[in-house]
Amino acid sequence: DAKTTQPPSMDCAEGRAANLPCNHSTISGNEYVYWYRQIHSQGPQYIIHGLKNNETNEMASLIITEDRKSSTLILPHATLRDTAVYYCIVRVVQGAQKLVFGQGTRLTINP
Amino acid sequence: DTEVTQTPKHLVMGMTNKKSLKCEQHMGHRAMYWYKQKAKKPPELMFVYSYEKLSINESVPSRFSPECPNSSLLNLHLHALQPEDSALYLCASSQTSEGAYEQYFGPGTRLTVT
Repeated sequence: DAKTTQPPSMDCAEGRAANLPCNHSTISGNEYVYWYRQIHSQGPQYIIHGLKNNETNEMASLIITEDRKSSTLILPHATLRDTAVYYCIVRVVQGAQKLVFGQGTRLTINP
Repeated sequence: DTEVTQTPKHLVMGMTNKKSLKCEQHMGHRAMYWYKQKAKKPPELMFVYSYEKLSINESVPSRFSPECPNSSLLNLHLHALQPEDSALYLCASSQTSEGAYEQYFGPGTRLTVT
């Protein structure tokens, strides 16, 4: 699976949109981009995933560049409860699922 | 019900003890996973079960022994652990082990080996 690069930490003001970038320049055509987050001392939580098109659900939006070499997770109206480590993961969907977590981005939402 | 439950929440064991961690899901998922997470590090995959059969073992030492008695239940048997095995042990499940299905994680068991 392709490697991802994320900034180690980010800050965002409560109520503003949080935009978390992820670089996956070696992604191949059959690899999906997944986002999970982990709030302190809890298990990781699935947020969203996509292949080529932008995706939106009740939690977030995922914007994937046309060349698929990078993506951005958008939390439209961040709250204090969104403070967590956010993991961007790239994986092939053929074969057994192996989520390989990188170091992630520690997002802090400030009041 | 989209919940994965894990018991116990906390476990302290000596290096000569035998203990087991338990994980349960009732979502009809046919794939279940064990991950290990050391402090301030990302989770690392240990085992994958698909349709109650072990499909991936990430070269985990034999002192960790997984078991999947049925499609809803996953155990991790622990024996002769070392202090460096102290970590958060996370269980997850997904609809199947292939395809673009998300994994649902439990809250974890925090293990301390003394």
